[in-house]
Amino acid sequence: QKEVEQNSGPLSVPEGAIASLNCTYSDRGSQSFFWYRQYSGKSPELIMSIYSNGDKEDGRFTAQLNKASQYVSLLIRDSQPSDSATYLCAVIYNQGGKLIFGQGTELSVKP
Amino acid sequence: NAGVTQTPKFQVLKTGQSMTLQCAQDMNHNSMYWYRQDPGMGLRLIYYSASEGTTDKGEVPNGYNVSRLNKREFSLRLESAAPSQTSVYFCASSDGTDPGKLFFGSGTQLSVL
Repeated sequence: QKEVEQNSGPLSVPEGAIASLNCTYSDRGSQSFFWYRQYSGKSPELIMSIYSNGDKEDGRFTAQLNKASQYVSLLIRDSQPSDSATYLCAVIYNQGGKLIFGQGTELSVKP
Repeated sequence: NAGVTQTPKFQVLKTGQSMTLQCAQDMNHNSMYWYRQDPGMGLRLIYYSASEGTTDKGEVPNGYNVSRLNKREFSLRLESAAPSQTSVYFCASSDGTDPGKLFFGSGTQLSVL
């Protein structure tokens, strides 16, 4: 089983809709979770971090964490064409503190 | 504000050639990382250095060596390049207080023929 798994997509949503990106992880001891955004041909950039169960909101972005289900998600409200990118879920593994990435979900927001 | 600087941006090698990817950060970060990115595979950790003088293997270390030259610089060496090492390589750094908050360089596109 891959340590961090995401739906590979591509995920296509119309402008103004809610985009939902999902991620599961295998290490039950993980405590820290991150979402990175990567535009085509560019390097990843951190957009959200979450450490506690529940929701964390930052503007149009909401990260959701459920440690019991080993599940973390990212919701993008009022999606814009500028949100079109690959979104990478990342988890700090309990052993050694390494940041492990999922394979990424490509999001396309259609005008 | 340079942040994390990687060189070169592009490189083509023949099988068996060697090369070193250079990375430097000017944010006084303790931790530095090398990742590779292949289509559909996300980012995979090759090596990392939690602090000056230490290095540790990541998920895919085979075929690579690293040197943490000082606090600013972390290099990645391919001793005998193979076509399987064709990839985009990213260097990253973090201040170590939260190892999940990485700052990435612009990447190196490496092709091994």
